[in-house]
Parts: sequence; C-alpha cells; structure tokens
Amino acid sequence: DTEVTQTPKHLVMGMTNKKSLKCEQHMGHRAMYWYKQKAKKPPELMFVYSYEKLSINESVPSRFSPECPNSSLLNLHLHALQPEDSALYLCASSQDRDLMYNEQFFGPGTRLTVL
Amino acid sequence: AQSVAQPEDQVNVAEGNPLTVKCTYSVSGNPYLFWYVQYPNRGLQFLLKYITGDNLVKGSYGFEAEFNKSQTSFHLKKPSALVSDSALYFCAVRAGSRDNYGQNFVFGPGTRLSVLP
Repeated sequence: DTEVTQTPKHLVMGMTNKKSLKCEQHMGHRAMYWYKQKAKKPPELMFVYSYEKLSINESVPSRFSPECPNSSLLNLHLHALQPEDSALYLCASSQDRDLMYNEQFFGPGTRLTVL
Repeated sequence: AQSVAQPEDQVNVAEGNPLTVKCTYSVSGNPYLFWYVQYPNRGLQFLLKYITGDNLVKGSYGFEAEFNKSQTSFHLKKPSALVSDSALYFCAVRAGSRDNYGQNFVFGPGTRLSVLP
C-alpha cells in the first residue's frame, strides 16, 4: 500500500467550531507532515512528526493542534479558526525525516472552508 | 538558506511537442532535488529526484530531469507532451543540516503547464 489517505475531503466550519482532520499511511514511514496550501501556491510546512514525536512546529498558531496517536495516524485538531485559514491541508509521509534523499508521499488533501 | 526558483509561472506547449519546465536552486552543501506534480484539487505526486551520480534522471510518466551543477539547474523535460500532463509542477530542494527541516526543505513557487490539443 503506497497511499496516504485523508479524511474528510471537504470541511466547512464556523469560527467557533472544533473539528479534526485525519491522515493515515501504512507504508511503515516514520515521518509525517502537515502542510497548508493556498490556491496556486506551494505547500507551506506546518508540522513534522518524527517517530511519533513532534519535531518541528513552523510557528503555527495554537488554534491548530497536531496529534500523532501511532506511527500510522496523524491528526490535526482545529479550533477557533479564522476565514484566512481556509486552504487545502495536505498530509505527507516519508521513510525517515533525517534521510535527506527521501521523497514525500502526499495525501489528496482536505479542502477547508472557514465561514 | 536554501531557495528554489521556477522562472516561469506558466508554460504552454502543443501536444506532441517537447516540454521543459525550468528550475534553479541555491543551496549550501550538496542538493537533493525533487519534482512533484499536482493535478487540480489533488495532493502532490512525486515524479523524480536527483541524489547523486548520473545527471539525467528518469521518472514517472515519461518525465526526465537534467541536473546541471555549474548552472545550479534541474529542468524537467518530456520528449512529447500529452494534454493529460497539464498540471501544476513544483521543484523542491533539500540540503544542509538534517536539523532545521523547515528551512532546509524548500518548494519552488510552481509552474502551471498547459498542453494544448
């Protein structure tokens, strides 16, 4: 299985809602990533998990809270978001964060709209 | 800090013609270079990468890329374009320390490729 899956595909939420995005991979990868992508722009790195521990937080606001329950799963908890947080949220995985030549495998993304 | 440039926002090519999508980079140390493609409303798909060795790298869907160290370039090429190749293409580079991942793995701004029938 060489696939990264993400649920839901689309999410519409109000600024007071709490929701979660989910990501799953069964490739045995030990690094997992969350990216935010605005239209026609490159992905922006948000968080990196390495061996289920948060290793990088790219100065992301606390209204985004990542969680890695096990080596196959990655969640992104959302609370009190702003309309400017509307974007495509991409999950990715790679064999090992520290192997410089590893490519990342991306999920299809969750299209988030904040009203 | 690492940086990647894709000098063309948009590339138009006729179906059947060769295509080139340009990428140049600036790094400290030896670079690892990647190309990804993104179809509308989809995630990124890995096409190919350069690690070391042969400067011509072959990848998925008939794409190839040429690493040129003196020109610090890694242009993506395909001998005969298909309409289905129309998508957004991102060049990416990783170099430097294993730490500080956020700064040592960088995407270019992207190039939109349109293949016209």
